[in-house]
Amino acid sequence: DSGVTQTPKHLITATGQRVTLRCSPRSGDLSVYWYQQSLDQGLQFLIQYYNGEERAKGNILERFSAQQFPDLHSELNLSSLELGDSALYFCASSPTHRVNGSPLHFGNGTRLTVT
Amino acid sequence: AQKITQTQPGMFVQEKEAVTLDCTYDTSDPSYGLFWYKQPSSGEMIFLIYQGSYDQQNATEGRYSLNFQKARKSANLVISASQLGDSAMYFCAMRENTNAGKSTFGDGTTLTVKP
Repeated sequence: DSGVTQTPKHLITATGQRVTLRCSPRSGDLSVYWYQQSLDQGLQFLIQYYNGEERAKGNILERFSAQQFPDLHSELNLSSLELGDSALYFCASSPTHRVNGSPLHFGNGTRLTVT
Repeated sequence: AQKITQTQPGMFVQEKEAVTLDCTYDTSDPSYGLFWYKQPSSGEMIFLIYQGSYDQQNATEGRYSLNFQKARKSANLVISASQLGDSAMYFCAMRENTNAGKSTFGDGTTLTVKP
């Protein structure tokens, strides 16, 4: 068990809808990362937060947004969903945004299916 | 430019034998970390091993070892005494301090252990 909790595990929704994915990092970790894993594009970095502030942005669509709350949990909001958004969405956490030997610890992911 | 390259989409190994999974990387940051993750068919991402750019010795964790050749920018994973449970997708990843610590992943190698 990595200590990172993601909910829900599975999500099935229709095109055009909006969903929210939730992540609780490991105790003590201040940095949260969101990744998207689809069959054709591998693991793509979306966005990173550190202690409530956005630190880095990757290939995140404008229809997607995220935030990290004061209690350090994070939410990823996906709107105007398209079929191509179907993927496994991972949250990961680490103590800081610096490498310092610490790996990213991943949650079990949320599998999103857009129909 | 691809920062992490895994040239072996699929590998087969006989049970109890050793196998090497290749990974090359590209960075200009002198401070970085290299990581290997295992993703079984159930989908979770499991951290296996870490190598820091300043580490003088190759990392080892049980049956996993990392063959780090800094000048060649390679960080190959060696799994000794393969077990059927090692069948999974394996990802090489890099974290750079100049990049807010986010991990960049290779495309992965699917390892199949034959009985």
